[in-house]
Amino acid sequence: AQSVTQPDIHITVSEGASLELRCNYSYGATPYLFWYVQSPGQGLQLLLKYFSGDTLVQGIKGFEAEFKRSQSSFNLRKPSVHWSDAAEYFCAVGGSAGNQFYFGTGTSLTVIP
Amino acid sequence: DTEVTQTPKHLVMGMTNKKSLKCEQHMGHRAMYWYKQKAKKPPELMFVYSYEKLSINESVPSRFSPECPNSSLLNLHLHALQPEDSALYLCASSQEGRVGGNSPLHFGNGTRLTVT
Repeated sequence: AQSVTQPDIHITVSEGASLELRCNYSYGATPYLFWYVQSPGQGLQLLLKYFSGDTLVQGIKGFEAEFKRSQSSFNLRKPSVHWSDAAEYFCAVGGSAGNQFYFGTGTSLTVIP
Repeated sequence: DTEVTQTPKHLVMGMTNKKSLKCEQHMGHRAMYWYKQKAKKPPELMFVYSYEKLSINESVPSRFSPECPNSSLLNLHLHALQPEDSALYLCASSQEGRVGGNSPLHFGNGTRLTVT
């Protein structure tokens, strides 16, 4: 069955510190992987996507993610967090094995000064 | 600015009311989606239109009725809702008509619905 797991429900980091949000997936075919961010009262904004090729992908707002097939992971990273990064982050998977996108349960990020 | 526009931003309705949510995209995308999102939860898929035809209905109660008048517009008609239907309703679109492929979803900012 297709699924996405985000083990961390909530993470708190200091402004300027590095960030890593974890995402593990289960998918029966080649996965297409996405990270979305949702600020309060807003819709979901696409941060980055992975389809194939280079396993380290760059996104908007200084985010990057690394695809590790052996670990079924697609972790999101940022070297230096800004207060405006406080939001809910969702990992999602799509591809040829299913007929919809599968979202993780989300990780809520708090940034402290 | 989002390229998927949803109106209204907020809606309060009674349980006997009839109202509609509207969604518009002009990116030439071939699939359009309705999602329901409760606070601190991921979006839950409700309906998908692919090439203007309903392709997925995730067993949504009949008090929610989708409509796709053309390739750019998507409506969600609401009737006799319950308080538990209060949520953020998100519209999304994707370039591919096939759902769940490598074409990412582009979301609107949603309609915050409160049922009293």
